[in-house]
Amino acid sequence: KAGVTQTPRYLIKTRGQQVTLSCSPISGHRSVSWYQQTPGQGLQFLFEYFSETQRNKGNFPGRFSGRQFSNSRSEMNVSTLELGDSALYLCASSEGTGYEKLFFGSGTQLSVL
Amino acid sequence: DQQVKQNSPSLSVQEGRISILNCDYTNSMFDYFLWYKKYPAEGPTFLISISSIKDKNEDGRFTVFLNKSAKHLSLHIVPSQPGDSAVYFCAASLNYGGATNKLIFGTGTLLAVQP
Repeated sequence: KAGVTQTPRYLIKTRGQQVTLSCSPISGHRSVSWYQQTPGQGLQFLFEYFSETQRNKGNFPGRFSGRQFSNSRSEMNVSTLELGDSALYLCASSEGTGYEKLFFGSGTQLSVL
Repeated sequence: DQQVKQNSPSLSVQEGRISILNCDYTNSMFDYFLWYKKYPAEGPTFLISISSIKDKNEDGRFTVFLNKSAKHLSLHIVPSQPGDSAVYFCAASLNYGGATNKLIFGTGTLLAVQP
């Protein structure tokens, strides 16, 4: 099976712009979750989608949003970018049944200038 | 509020010896714990997990121990190999009441295995 695929791999934006990141989960996986990794902060949970519905949400401002399509592919959007949004954004997929491991993609490295 | 803590930012071990990575948590409701390994510019790779109903789980060179009374878990790697050099994250989740993939991660421990 192909792994979790995230595009693009790298992205450079300026403050105030908006950005959309894409994630294709492992075939058959219905849950997609998103994490932000910044230096010294570890991985912070953004949100999780299961069967096109947001199942969990982290403590991020409303500028961060996401969605999931019927084929389980997911996108996350960040509007009005701030310098502090520079981070590695990781997508993870699983079957969504709980008590299971997540499979992570390689991430999208976002730099906001 | 850091619910999952890895108090050692780094650890250096000789090849062939045991590596012990530690993790503490504050939420007694966490019921599933995982360890991930991460190389730079790559996504985390799953290593091993443990449910809160167990106190030990073993997979090859990797063993995870859970001490619920102390809210502490540890990862033992025996024997350590240079290829184990990476950042190790522990993570916890709370599935009681509904399945979730909301993982709370620690800040990571950089393991360096010296040849």
